[in-house]
Amino acid sequence: DADVTQTPRNRITKTGKRIMLECSQTKGHDRMYWYRQDPGLGLRLIYYSFDVKDINKGEISDGYSVSRQAQAKFSLSLESAIPNQTALYFCATSDFWQGTGELFFGEGSRLTVL
Amino acid sequence: GQQLNQSPQSMFIQEGEDVSMNCTSSSIFNTWLWYKQDPGEGPVLLIALYKAGELTSNGRLTAQFGITRKDSFLNISASIPSDVGIYFCAGLTSGTYKYIFGTGTRLKVLA
Repeated sequence: DADVTQTPRNRITKTGKRIMLECSQTKGHDRMYWYRQDPGLGLRLIYYSFDVKDINKGEISDGYSVSRQAQAKFSLSLESAIPNQTALYFCATSDFWQGTGELFFGEGSRLTVL
Repeated sequence: GQQLNQSPQSMFIQEGEDVSMNCTSSSIFNTWLWYKQDPGEGPVLLIALYKAGELTSNGRLTAQFGITRKDSFLNISASIPSDVGIYFCAGLTSGTYKYIFGTGTRLKVLA
């Protein structure tokens, strides 16, 4: 089983719908991140969280919100999806206290907004 | 957003050949990470590097942390068909949260 699990893996939705992507991890890491990946643009940071009470905007947070429900769970919401939010979304985790900086990704959630 | 320069952009090689790729930055990093990503899947961490000049191996993969701390290299020896995918680097400065990712090298292996 994957250490960083994302659900759903694929979702097709319509413009204006609310969508939630969920991420859970069994690595015991304190830091969690949401990235989106688009061809030619690489990985861009949407939001990140250093612990349950800490949420921070990344470089492209407009149109997105997040919730850190527990140390192991970090969800990403699109309140009103639009077509240019069609992308591959990744959750990632790292362990600040271990100090290695190693970043571990989930399997990805492919979102298509029609 | 900022991306690291990675070269080559793509490579077509014969099975059994060795592969080299590199990543360069205008900034100094304290950690370099190398990943492999299959289409539609999540990046998988291959090698992590923490010290300038460090050379680390993982099976047929060897990576080096450049002595200037502004570059890193990945070598794959005796390539096999399952090495096909996109390889990318990532740099991290200590005390920050911000990973900077490379543009990726797409590897195709011809049997």
